[in-house]
Amino acid sequence: EAGVTQFPSHSVIEKGQTVTLRCDPISGHDNLYWYRRVMGKEIKFLLHFVKESKQDESGMPNNRFLAERTGGTYSTLKVQPAELEDSGVYFCASSRGTGELFFGEGSRLTVL
Amino acid sequence: AQSVTQPDIHITVSEGASLELRCNYSYGATPYLFWYVQSPGQGLQLLLKYFSGDTLVQGIKGFEAEFKRSQSSFNLRKPSVHWSDAAEYFCAVGIFGNEKLTFGTGTRLTIIP
Repeated sequence: EAGVTQFPSHSVIEKGQTVTLRCDPISGHDNLYWYRRVMGKEIKFLLHFVKESKQDESGMPNNRFLAERTGGTYSTLKVQPAELEDSGVYFCASSRGTGELFFGEGSRLTVL
Repeated sequence: AQSVTQPDIHITVSEGASLELRCNYSYGATPYLFWYVQSPGQGLQLLLKYFSGDTLVQGIKGFEAEFKRSQSSFNLRKPSVHWSDAAEYFCAVGIFGNEKLTFGTGTRLTIIP
């Protein structure tokens, strides 16, 4: 069974540019989560999808962040325009709803 | 709201020595507790979890953790570390019916020969 895959693994952009991160969850997992870790800090929850619906987006920092999950399969997280403080590692996780999350390797975003 | 404290940012141990990583949580009810590990270039991997029952939980790679309600702790232990255990370890807490996790800041483990 393939795990959670994330793309790109690393993205370097300039302030003001746009970046789109993609997450492919494990097949059959209705729950999809985005988390972020800013350098040296804790991993923080961003949002949660159940299938294509946003269940909880309380962790989204501001309206520069837009998450979608078309058709309840893969998800994208777009940052537009990117700011310096958006740098960090963005993790995606999926689950069947049994309490165990399966994480991807993360997408490292560097904003210069 | 729940919170997790991992007081040790960085720990160095010798290969073959025992290990204990500390984790304290704050939550009003019985929490769900997790330890994840991130090895270099890898994603977060679940080491073990506590939902209920026996307070001593066995995980993968020879790790175990003990839930102590009176101390609000869920410390991770391993009797003898291997060089491959060098990684960053994260403690996390969840609540019943909700998979949203609150993580600690992580503990980086270095193994010396």
